[in-house]
Amino acid sequence: RKEVEQDPGPFNVPEGATVAFNCTYSNSASQSFFWYRQDCRKEPKLLMSVYSSGNEDGRFTAQLNRASQYISLLIRDSKLSDSATYLCVVNTLGRDDKIIFGKGTRLHILP
Amino acid sequence: DAGVIQSPRHEVTEMGQEVTLRCKPISGHDYLFWYRQTMMRGLELLIYFNNNVPIDDSGMPEDRFSAKMPNASFSTLKIQPSEPRDSAVYFCASSLRGVSYEQYFGPGTRLTVT
Repeated sequence: RKEVEQDPGPFNVPEGATVAFNCTYSNSASQSFFWYRQDCRKEPKLLMSVYSSGNEDGRFTAQLNRASQYISLLIRDSKLSDSATYLCVVNTLGRDDKIIFGKGTRLHILP
Repeated sequence: DAGVIQSPRHEVTEMGQEVTLRCKPISGHDYLFWYRQTMMRGLELLIYFNNNVPIDDSGMPEDRFSAKMPNASFSTLKIQPSEPRDSAVYFCASSLRGVSYEQYFGPGTRLTVT
């Protein structure tokens, strides 16, 4: 099993719809989780952290499921500007700190 | 405020040549990270520094790659000799508090080795 896995997509979603995608991780000792957004030919930018209790930021909701070892991102009322690649990040701290980025899920919002 | 600054933005070089990529982190950030991104492998952490000291270089592909951080405001990633398989986008990122906190990425250097 890969350390961090994401469905590469693309997810083609009509504007206004709700879309969700997951990211699975293999190391049960992983401690912190993030979603980054990357536009084409640009650098990644933090979208949101993922907290154990789940968290929401406007139209975006992130959740963590430790038992099944995945995090999720839900986007409600999708906008054309949401089209991007969404990268999950899993950090494991300890004697060997590890930062692992998923390869990303491509999202296309269709007008 | 200035973000993370990288130079050059694009580099085209011939196989065997030395390549030096430069990064200026956000002022006050104690952590600096170097990443490489390709279609095949995604975004990979190469090395990161804390207070100018290399902490984890396990992602550095091989001895041809080296990174330095002589002071808090400057870091370099050097490839010598370069090979076509080194072609990728190299990102530098900095963080205020460490690996478990938000990282701010520079615009990247797109390297092509022919």
